[in-house]
Amino acid sequence: SQELEQSPQSLIVQEGKNLTINCTSSKTLYGLYWYKQKYGEGLIFLMMLQKGGEEKSHEKITAKLDEKKQQSSLHITASQPSHAGIYLCGADGGSNYKLTFGKGTLLTVNP
Amino acid sequence: DGGITQSPKYLFRKEGQNVTLSCEQNLNHDAMYWYRQDPGQGLRLIYYSQIVNDFQKGDIAEGYSVSREKKESFPLTVTSAQKNPTAFYLCASYSPGTGEYFGPGTRLTVL
Repeated sequence: SQELEQSPQSLIVQEGKNLTINCTSSKTLYGLYWYKQKYGEGLIFLMMLQKGGEEKSHEKITAKLDEKKQQSSLHITASQPSHAGIYLCGADGGSNYKLTFGKGTLLTVNP
Repeated sequence: DGGITQSPKYLFRKEGQNVTLSCEQNLNHDAMYWYRQDPGQGLRLIYYSQIVNDFQKGDIAEGYSVSREKKESFPLTVTSAQKNPTAFYLCASYSPGTGEYFGPGTRLTVL
């Protein structure tokens, strides 16, 4: 079965700093999804990546999928307190509509 | 507006009681999912259903039951056989463009 490892598990940054969260898969990724979650709420879709080398941006968040399609990174530029939350990656292993999720990265942004 | 609703938002259960968590979607999605989220463990799949009248066990199905009599509805029953039911429960449905589309969650606490 596919496993996703996220790093770091938690991250504390000062407002205005850049940061990167990584998601590494044990198998080839057919689709890689990034979500954000506020405590006690549902997951909000951020971006989906499918092609090796693909890069997408939304506001100050950029996600990339490496050429070999086994690792993705999420980069936040000039972080703000509104970026705080849990970031989860989810992977489509290619079958059954079923996503596998990483354990999440807890981001704290101090003003 | 289309979306997923979960009710109630907070649920308290006495030991030995069965409780049912509601999940309704008006997105016309075929596949629906139930996850359990515990601190530090990420999302764990309880049950999923790809079509009406069919469902499959996920990774932690013991002590839970589901039904899928209508496309829009996928209720989860937490039975007295579930030894540690206190957790945050998330329902989702599958969208080809965003992976899994999540509801706002139900927090279950056993008293």
